[in-house]
Amino acid sequence: QVQLVQSGAEVKKPGASVKVSCQVSGYSLTAFSIHWVRQTPGKRLEWMGGFVPEDGEIIYAQKFKGRVTMTEDTSTDTAYMQLSSLRSEDTAVYYCAIGSYGGWYFDLWGRGTLVTVSS
Amino acid sequence: EIVLTQSPATLSLSPGERATLSCRASQSISSYVAWYQQKPGQAPSLLIYDASNRATGIPARFSGSGSGTDFTLTISNLEPEDFAVYYCQQRGSWSSTFGQGTKLEIK
Repeated sequence: QVQLVQSGAEVKKPGASVKVSCQVSGYSLTAFSIHWVRQTPGKRLEWMGGFVPEDGEIIYAQKFKGRVTMTEDTSTDTAYMQLSSLRSEDTAVYYCAIGSYGGWYFDLWGRGTLVTVSS
Repeated sequence: EIVLTQSPATLSLSPGERATLSCRASQSISSYVAWYQQKPGQAPSLLIYDASNRATGIPARFSGSGSGTDFTLTISNLEPEDFAVYYCQQRGSWSSTFGQGTKLEIK
């Protein structure tokens, strides 16, 4: 049974960076399209980016371009999302999810990682 | 960016009733819409994809319809476990956005 295991909660100061991990358990990372979605304290969901099978590359939402980097380590079946220049508005729960049915609908999610940005 | 607007913000119904949730897109997105259910403390879970296809294991009381800019999620014969928050999502040209959610609460 495939599971997505995310890293623990983080507290960061404004201007710092955070790197969240998402390990695929029970299968190979290369079989999946991994995306990242965050949920704000107001419960709004925001797609941040992910691997697009049609392009064979990771693409980012315009809002986060220049600040976000998504990488994958196939040797450990782990995906990473790094967000830099953090501000208070980046306080959110960050989810990794597997894209299915063409790669863009998310049918398996991690439990989420709370990132708090506070001075 | 394509904006999705969901209505109503809150829907109060009783078990056994029928729920109709709406999602409107700021421009045509063909049938590239999904619906998710989220319960407190949990990640969202996929119900419907490509507007009308049920994801694996989703009960038949959940159905989706629509194309272009107007989409509907219908839940017939509400069960107690159906009371949750529902989000629509669109997959546009190499991008994706979500609606702001509809809370389905017990009346």
